[in-house]
Amino acid sequence: GAVVSQHPSRVICKSGTSVKIECRSLDFQATTMFWYRQFPKQSLMLMATSNEGSKATYEQGVEKDKFLINHASLTLSTLTVTSAHPEDSSFYICSASGGAGNSNQPQHFGDGTRLSIL
Amino acid sequence: SQKIEQNSEALNIQEGKTATLTCNYTNYSPAYLQWYRQDPGRGPVFLLLIRENEKEKRKERLKVTFDTTLKQSLFHITASQPADSATYLCGTGRRALTFGSGTRLQVQP
Repeated sequence: GAVVSQHPSRVICKSGTSVKIECRSLDFQATTMFWYRQFPKQSLMLMATSNEGSKATYEQGVEKDKFLINHASLTLSTLTVTSAHPEDSSFYICSASGGAGNSNQPQHFGDGTRLSIL
Repeated sequence: SQKIEQNSEALNIQEGKTATLTCNYTNYSPAYLQWYRQDPGRGPVFLLLIRENEKEKRKERLKVTFDTTLKQSLFHITASQPADSATYLCGTGRRALTFGSGTRLQVQP
């Protein structure tokens, strides 16, 4: 089945550090990937849609200069949290589908990245 | 925008019983609803997708229904097992998914 790999699984770093999270589709090509954020006991909240070869589309309230997204190939999207602060601590999850990102296709999720900013 | 509502209270049932989880949507009738399982510290795993014109979908011990009149989907796990304990998410969307908050299921041995 379709596999999405996310790395790293856990990051602990000091305030002000920039952190890069990678999301790879291992056995399929993904023109579209999605980045979500999840707080404890809450739902996944969509942050942005990552489009291969073009700019990401950010949801309202998500700072594009804070959360940099790059989708340079059909199998890799990266999320960089720039100058991270404690309020950025969260669980970040990416997903992709084998299709064009339509809701008639199941989403395949990575295992998430637990980011903790001290 | 679409809002998905799931019972945020945990559901505790005895092993062997049928678990029933509810998902309600508030606005337009979605073309599809998807159900996922999420274990602690892990990403969601796809379980079932049901289309608007499908009343019911089954996969092994899982069954999903879609009632456009009630704006509701029900997710059933028959002959539940302790290994079924997890949080179950309902989601829909035209492209990216909007999820409910999930319902935590605890199956007691």
